[in-house]
Amino acid sequence: DGGITQSPKYLFRKEGQNVTLSCEQNLNHDAMYWYRQDPGQGLRLIYYSQIVNDFQKGDIAEGYSVSREKKESFPLTVTSAQKNPTAFYLCASSRDTIYFGEGSWLTVV
Amino acid sequence: KNQVEQSPQSLIILEGKNCTLQCNYTVSPFSNLRWYKQDTGRGPVSLTIMTFSENTKSNGRYTATLDADTKQSSLHITASQLSDSASYICVVSAGTYKYIFGTGTRLKVLA
Repeated sequence: DGGITQSPKYLFRKEGQNVTLSCEQNLNHDAMYWYRQDPGQGLRLIYYSQIVNDFQKGDIAEGYSVSREKKESFPLTVTSAQKNPTAFYLCASSRDTIYFGEGSWLTVV
Repeated sequence: KNQVEQSPQSLIILEGKNCTLQCNYTVSPFSNLRWYKQDTGRGPVSLTIMTFSENTKSNGRYTATLDADTKQSSLHITASQLSDSASYICVVSAGTYKYIFGTGTRLKVLA
């Protein structure tokens, strides 16, 4: 089946630790995105990539990093510099319509 | 500032009833408008997509309308079912790679 696969579904981060969320798509889309969703708020853009080896900061990029070495993959690293990382993270890709993965829950312990 | 506002914030209805969700936007340039359904803890799933020239589009029991003059859209759900309980998100595209999200309407359908 075509789609976007995010992993892991649930992740716990200790203070001062970096963690990486995986996102893979087999839709052959050039554009990929990472969004953060907090309760009662709309989706906020962290980073997006229009093409392999290129990406741009979104509205809330501080404390996050990404890479786009392959068209299919767009991993997100939540660094220790992100002071409030507990949230629901959504990966997406688009051509004419934006499609979303199933999301990953990140909790700081 | 590009903005998408949705109302109501939350809504409770009885199974079998109809309901209408509202979306007002101030986005420029306008490319298209999408409604998504998001179940708790899941990714949003597209229900409809509407371009500037389209007034109405249906997807089963979901009917979306768009008034580009007043910059308003609505999502009408007919004969609601328990499985309709979810958040409904209005998303306006301001061009390639730029999507403006509303905060969503949380719908609860009661038996």
